[in-house]
Amino acid sequence: EAAVTQSPRNKVTVTGGNVTLSCRQTNSHNYMYWYRQDTGHGLRLIHYSYGAGNLQIGDVPDGYKATRTTQEDFFLLLELASPSQTSLYFCASSDLGVDTQYFGPGTRLLVL
Amino acid sequence: QQNVQQSPESLIVPEGARTSLNCTFSDSASQYFWWYRQHSGKAPKALMSIFSNGEKEEGRFTIHLNKASLHFSLHIRDSQPSDSALYLCNNNNAPRFGAGTKLTVKP
Repeated sequence: EAAVTQSPRNKVTVTGGNVTLSCRQTNSHNYMYWYRQDTGHGLRLIHYSYGAGNLQIGDVPDGYKATRTTQEDFFLLLELASPSQTSLYFCASSDLGVDTQYFGPGTRLLVL
Repeated sequence: QQNVQQSPESLIVPEGARTSLNCTFSDSASQYFWWYRQHSGKAPKALMSIFSNGEKEEGRFTIHLNKASLHFSLHIRDSQPSDSALYLCNNNNAPRFGAGTKLTVKP
């Protein structure tokens, strides 16, 4: 089974702080995704990428930047964190855009 | 912007019941349909997929796809407490999920 790891698993920051969430997949998948999950909203797509250097805008991109540095690594950046960004963040990967998505364990972010 | 809508939002059923979860989608050109299951505190995990009209059965789980009515569904036979989870549908023409149905199976 595809392996996707995320770090950190838990993060607490203050309003206005900088946060970087990391995701790594070791299955040479082309696509990687960042989602946030909040009660009542399911999974909402923030950004995704289909290869190193590529970035596609998702549905809730405001306040988030992302960068795909290699085939394996996808980062989510919150440069001025706000309490509204308190959420559970999942990274996922898939070989093609229409294939099964494999999810990491999630990062729980609290912005005070 | 979610191009899949799920119903109901939540569902409580007794153990042994037959459970039905629904998704509607908006893009008639959609070709790939997935159900994911997310147990509490865990990551979502793919459960079943279907790529053509009709029905697909795996154990106690059956999925139906009707592209003409823009509808696909998941049916669970003999529901078990271990089936309690958030169920998410996904239309892979776009990497987006429905808001989910929270299923609780009471022993």
